[in-house]
Amino acid sequence: DVVLTQTPPTLSATIGQSVSISCRSSQSLLHSNGNTYLNWLLQRPGQPPQLLIYLVSRLESGVPNRFSGSGSGTDFTLKISGVEAEDLGVYYCVQSTHAPNTFGAGTKLELK
Amino acid sequence: VQLVESGGGLVQPGKSLKLSCSASGFTFSSYGMHWIRQAPGKGLDWVAYISSSSGTVYADAVKGRFTISRDNAKNTLYLQLNSLKSEDTAIYYCARGYNYGYWGQGVMVTVSS
Repeated sequence: DVVLTQTPPTLSATIGQSVSISCRSSQSLLHSNGNTYLNWLLQRPGQPPQLLIYLVSRLESGVPNRFSGSGSGTDFTLKISGVEAEDLGVYYCVQSTHAPNTFGAGTKLELK
Repeated sequence: VQLVESGGGLVQPGKSLKLSCSASGFTFSSYGMHWIRQAPGKGLDWVAYISSSSGTVYADAVKGRFTISRDNAKNTLYLQLNSLKSEDTAIYYCARGYNYGYWGQGVMVTVSS
């Protein structure tokens, strides 16, 4: 199975600070059809996860453009350009290139 | 788009439970669907997937015990949980599609004697 390693496990930020989260895969996530099925989710406390970024870098409708995704192959990054209070929670990367799908362990974003 | 899970509860080890996920607001038959679970205080754990053509994939931890299915006429996704273990205790979510674009609110399954 594909292992997704997220770093750091915890991130402390001040409002307005820019932060990045890394997601590294044990195998390339490039599908034979040319797509890379790497998505980023945010789970706020007590809520189900919500989609932020899909196909590495495509911003889900309604998600603020301070969120951006980048990467290819096995290395991916989620960047938040100017953290806001509503961004606090746990961020997960998830791959759907390979079966079974797998999630990263999560990165908890806290206020410093 | 709305996904609403139901069927959770408290069940003894070794017993069975069937979860449902009622879908609305989109053409259910056109989408693959997932079940994902989250043990208390833990991260997300992928459980099973069913494609729009009803092909299935399972996590090793549930293979042979859980069965995912769908009824397109009823716009409903199911997860049959058999031979339940204490480690199956979790919130179970259904989610839509390859990008996990929509999630239900989740349903709690507690396995305890």
